[in-house]
Amino acid sequence: QQQVKQSPQSLIVQKGGISIINCAYENTAFDYFPWYQQFPGKGPALLIAIRPDVSEKKEGRFTISFNKSAKQFSLHIMDSQPGDSATYFCAALYNFNKFYFGSGTKLNVKP
Amino acid sequence: KAGVTQTPRYLIKTRGQQVTLSCSPISGHRSVSWYQQTPGQGLQFLFEYFSETQRNKGNFPGRFSGRQFSNSRSEMNVSTLELGDSALYLCASSSFVGNNEKLFFGSGTQLSVL
Repeated sequence: QQQVKQSPQSLIVQKGGISIINCAYENTAFDYFPWYQQFPGKGPALLIAIRPDVSEKKEGRFTISFNKSAKQFSLHIMDSQPGDSATYFCAALYNFNKFYFGSGTKLNVKP
Repeated sequence: KAGVTQTPRYLIKTRGQQVTLSCSPISGHRSVSWYQQTPGQGLQFLFEYFSETQRNKGNFPGRFSGRQFSNSRSEMNVSTLELGDSALYLCASSSFVGNNEKLFFGSGTQLSVL
């Protein structure tokens, strides 16, 4: 079964808008939650990550919100730009070296 | 520093054949993991090697196997190919030293099974 559930599958946002992607997990043993960004023809690249002892982490226009009690975390992209158009994957780390990835969200930012 | 290199970039095979994919990690990285990416399924974990030892394995049939060499380079083999094996296969390397869990992905090998 899918260890990390991601939604929505696709997202269209106007330039300057806020993009929000959500993920949920069940295993409380996960201890590291990264987001990866993938452009066509490329492998995923780490965008931002958070540990469960923190409720929010911000890097530039990208913010992770983490709700430990609800076992949910989300990526917020502020002031979305056409260059942000990509596929985004959330992930969770188990046992120090095994990652579980969500199914991905294809973001399209309209100019 | 060179990134993760995967070869070949594209492969076309027919059902029943076998295939070997190669991955050269970032210099100094001892962990190499493999993922299968298909539309709608995201990245499915295949296995992870560290210092030539398989540490973790995903839920894939025994037709999928891998190995890691002393220089950390890794190969993945799929035998008796099926149409459903068509996917992008991604390799990722990591140092996994201390709290550094960052994965560095290659561009992948796109496998098409006809």
